[in-house]
Amino acid sequence: EVQLLESGGRLVQPGGSLRLSCAPSGINLNNLIMTWVRQAPGKGLQWVSGIAGDGDDTYYPDSMKGHFTISRDTSKNTLYLQMNDLRVDDTAVYYCAAWNFGGKYFDLWGRGTLVTVSS
Amino acid sequence: QSALTQPPSASGYPGQSVTISCTGTSSDVGGYNYVSWYQQHPGKVPKLIISEVSKRPSGVPDRFSGSKSGNTASLTVSGLQAEDEGDYFCSSYAGRNKFGIFGGGTKLTVL
Repeated sequence: EVQLLESGGRLVQPGGSLRLSCAPSGINLNNLIMTWVRQAPGKGLQWVSGIAGDGDDTYYPDSMKGHFTISRDTSKNTLYLQMNDLRVDDTAVYYCAAWNFGGKYFDLWGRGTLVTVSS
Repeated sequence: QSALTQPPSASGYPGQSVTISCTGTSSDVGGYNYVSWYQQHPGKVPKLIISEVSKRPSGVPDRFSGSKSGNTASLTVSGLQAEDEGDYFCSSYAGRNKFGIFGGGTKLTVL
């Protein structure tokens, strides 16, 4: 069965940093366009970042530029999200999801990892 | 890019039909035939139920259908069943390098 598994979420103080990981089983991420999507408690979904299959191009909504950095390690078949200067409103479940380029939708989703920013 | 607009709640009795709207702009919903819908049960991962406005992935019941007119997309659930209860999110492609923007979600209650 193809699965994505996120890790790295935890309680962190405002201003802190965190790196999330997304590792697959049963699939090679290296040819996929990958994204991070977050969901604040009781709220809707928000696209956070995306990265091209070759890792050369990265994409962010304007509100996330300079705040988060997406990357991938092809040797480890793993996707990352570096989160700096965390704020209370960054508290959310963070999902990694594959982006279907042809149909323009979020395809395979991980189970998510919870990031809580609080003092 | 602003989020797409969905009604916060919708409801219907078993066997009835319910339609959930998703309103955007000419820069997203109205500009592309790339609207997708996701179903999310409490504590679960979002599941794709409609892509490209009206396409159903394999395994999704044909009770779920999608359409679009102008800047508004719609999801219709026919023959409501108890297991349809949950949150529904629309998403639209918003142009190169922008991936998908989401609606705020609609909580569907089966009465």
